[in-house]
Amino acid sequence: DIQMTQSPSSLSASVGDSVTITCRASQGISNYLAWFRQKPGKDPESLIYATSNLQSGVPSKFSGSGSGTDFTLTISSLQPEDFATYYCQQYNNYPITFGQGTRLEIK
Amino acid sequence: EVQLVESGGGLVQPGGSRRLSCGVSGFTFSDHYMDWVRQAPGKGLEWVGRIRNKPNRYTTEYAASVKGRFTISRDDPRNSLYLQMNSLKTEDTAVYYCARVTYSSGWTLDFWGRGILVTVSS
Repeated sequence: DIQMTQSPSSLSASVGDSVTITCRASQGISNYLAWFRQKPGKDPESLIYATSNLQSGVPSKFSGSGSGTDFTLTISSLQPEDFATYYCQQYNNYPITFGQGTRLEIK
Repeated sequence: EVQLVESGGGLVQPGGSRRLSCGVSGFTFSDHYMDWVRQAPGKGLEWVGRIRNKPNRYTTEYAASVKGRFTISRDDPRNSLYLQMNSLKTEDTAVYYCARVTYSSGWTLDFWGRGILVTVSS
């Protein structure tokens, strides 16, 4: 199975800040990498697919990059609704696997 | 508007069975693959399995943790997805989400249901 490792596991930031979350795959996954946001007590939302493509309706403050094994999610101009847990997911191989999550908290 | 609504959750004894359903609306169900994803209390997301569409013969994939115990099926005319869970274990306690899978540079999850809690306990 492909292991997905996110870093950091948690981070604190202020409204208006920009943050970057990293996701590393245990083997190459081409660009088959997605990002999801889960607000506390809510269902997950799809943000990005194929490394850098925004899902419909997702604002351009979210951006993704990377290839192979190393990927990043950058969120600019943080708003209160952005303080949530973020997950990466590879869908290059079965079983599909998620990272352990990165909890973004308000400083 | 795309909607996915899970039902069928509740309390089940270890070793028991449960069938979850996911009713969908707002899109052409038969065009899409569908996934189940679960989340144990206080834990991260875990992919459970996938069912492909009719052109891909409704074939399925499963996580090792559920293979042989869980079965995913679908009824396209009824716009419904199912997860039959047998031989349930306490570690299967989780919120179960159904999710739509769309082809966009690979088959990727784009819409999620709100989830349904299954508790396995005596």
